[in-house]
Amino acid sequence: EIVLTQSPGTLSLSPGERATLFCRASQSVSSSYLAWYQQKPGQAPRLLISGASSRATGIPDRFSGSGSGTDFTLTISRLEPEDFAVYYCQQYGRSPPGWTFGQGTKVEIK
Amino acid sequence: EVQLVESGGGLVQPGGSLRLSCAASGFTFNRSWMSWVRQAPGKGLEWVAYIKQDASETYHVDSVKGRFTISRDNAKNSLYLQMSSLRAEDTAIYYCAKNGAGAAFDFWGQGTLVTVSS
Repeated sequence: EIVLTQSPGTLSLSPGERATLFCRASQSVSSSYLAWYQQKPGQAPRLLISGASSRATGIPDRFSGSGSGTDFTLTISRLEPEDFAVYYCQQYGRSPPGWTFGQGTKVEIK
Repeated sequence: EVQLVESGGGLVQPGGSLRLSCAASGFTFNRSWMSWVRQAPGKGLEWVAYIKQDASETYHVDSVKGRFTISRDNAKNSLYLQMSSLRAEDTAIYYCAKNGAGAAFDFWGQGTLVTVSS
């Protein structure tokens, strides 16, 4: 089973700053099957990025994803007040089918 | 507009059973992989089960194998999760999710809370 480790656990930043979140896999992951989600308190997760770098419908372009192999990054170019939330990376493995999530990174207001 | 509406959660004793349902609308349900994902209180996300569009293939995470069964009724645009031999560690919000491009979960329901406690 592929384990995803996210860092840092918590990121304390101010609105307008740049946020860089990391996701490291225990073995190589196909970029096609790496996704990022945002979750706010009391809400369901929301898909931000699929295929490592493709923004989901309606996601602002301040969110971007990159990476390959075992190292992936989610960048929020300029934090808006509504961006303070928990972010999860997730990978899909095909044989057998299965999905794993990272433990999450909390982006909090400094 | 895609909508996924879960129901069936509640309080159940250890060893008990529960059946969750998810009513889907706003997309072609019978062409979509579907999944259940859960989140224990204050914890992260855990994928639970997946079902192919025609129900020809299902997979469950090891921790629920033999106890939970995912199914679907394409005529009713509905997804189900039959849960039995429930344990305290199954306490969580259970989300119904649609799988999209790259097998990512592109739409989620609001979740239904399952509490396993005596």
